[in-house]
Amino acid sequence: GAVVSQHPSWVICKSGTSVKIECRSLDFQATTMFWYRQFPKQSLMLMATSNEGSKATYEQGVEKDKFLINHASLTLSTLTVTSAHPEDSSFYICSARLGGIGSYNEQFFGPGTRLTVL
Amino acid sequence: DAKTTQPTSMDCAEGRAANLPCNHSTISGNEYVYWYRQIHSQGPQYIIHGLKNNETNEMASLIITEDRKSSTLILPHATLRDTAVYYCIVRVAFLGTGGGNKLTFGTGTQLKVEL
Repeated sequence: GAVVSQHPSWVICKSGTSVKIECRSLDFQATTMFWYRQFPKQSLMLMATSNEGSKATYEQGVEKDKFLINHASLTLSTLTVTSAHPEDSSFYICSARLGGIGSYNEQFFGPGTRLTVL
Repeated sequence: DAKTTQPTSMDCAEGRAANLPCNHSTISGNEYVYWYRQIHSQGPQYIIHGLKNNETNEMASLIITEDRKSSTLILPHATLRDTAVYYCIVRVAFLGTGGGNKLTFGTGTQLKVEL
């Protein structure tokens, strides 16, 4: 149980285009999802926290107008990289928290999406 | 959340136990110790967590010192597939709905399991 999927697993796009990445919790409801970014040979950096039905909370230094997050349901959150540039090329990873009152707060991670902007 | 310190890298022979240390000398009484690992080009995988008692599951054992200032993750019989970056994270547990619950990843320990 507690499987998180991401789509696509990799994407190549031209500079200036927008790219949408989906994160789904397949067998549980996730009240909270998180988006991370990881550059080569670096650790994961949290970009934003997404709560179902409300606006995402962005970490300091992350442009909310560039990285649009939508958490429309308890099983789906999307990250849209708008007007992507080569410096946005990275490994994007989402995680979902097994929610519910009284539940423990383990996070389960998706397999990641490799974005390459040409 | 308390900061953790881990060795940059470790090697282990296949079949032997891998003992990965983590220092968290500033841990607070309500903070848990979590371990995740990340195999190359994959998302992190939850391994185990604990508060003050030693814990064991099908993947690993977690030994936390009595003063809680350090811990050790033990993979009892390491295999080549255990080669990964292992992250020790200390944070407050959160029970209930809503946001928060950030995981702050450090640089972790690159474990290389060799024949």
